[in-house]
Amino acid sequence: QKEVEQNSGPLSVPEGAIASLNCTYSDRVSQSFFWYRQYSGKSPELIMSIYSNGDKEDGRFTAQLNKASQYVSLLIRDSQPSDSATYLCAVRRMDSNYQLIWGAGTKLIIKP
Amino acid sequence: GAVVSQHPSWVICKSGTSVKIECRSLDFQATTMFWYRQFPKQSLMLMATSNEGSKATYEQGVEKDKFLINHASLTLSTLTVTSAHPEDSSFYICSARVVGTLSYEQYFGPGTRLTVT
Repeated sequence: QKEVEQNSGPLSVPEGAIASLNCTYSDRVSQSFFWYRQYSGKSPELIMSIYSNGDKEDGRFTAQLNKASQYVSLLIRDSQPSDSATYLCAVRRMDSNYQLIWGAGTKLIIKP
Repeated sequence: GAVVSQHPSWVICKSGTSVKIECRSLDFQATTMFWYRQFPKQSLMLMATSNEGSKATYEQGVEKDKFLINHASLTLSTLTVTSAHPEDSSFYICSARVVGTLSYEQYFGPGTRLTVT
């Protein structure tokens, strides 16, 4: 079992709709979770971090964390073509020097 | 804030030569920097963790004598690919975390695309 799992996609969502990206992790004691966006040919860009159960909103983005079920999700409201990218989920590695464990990423395509 | 630069952004070199990639934190200090490699259509692969003033910690399977890392200051880490071969062609990306915080957020540089001919 991979430590951080994401559906590779592609996930196709019509413009203006809500895009829902999911991530599950295996280490029950994980405390810190991150969503990054990576455009093709570019480096990852931090979108949101979440540390507590529940929802965290930032503009059109909402991160949701459920530690009991060991999943974290990212919702993108009013999806725009510019949101088309690969979204990477990362979880803090508990036994390391600030390292993150990365999911393989979900490719999101927003169709005009 | 939390801007990381990399130089060069792309480089082409001949097989057998060495290439140095610089990673700088521009507006913050970073005691810990990370070096990743990413092949086309694949996810990030952590190569090593670079700590200011001490030896880097390499991930399993990464040759430390081939990928030399130096983190001489709180704002600069370098990765040198020695005796490069075509299979070393990849996208190399560094990241850094802000010193003095409890945050585990990593901020990425724009990456360096290496092509070995």
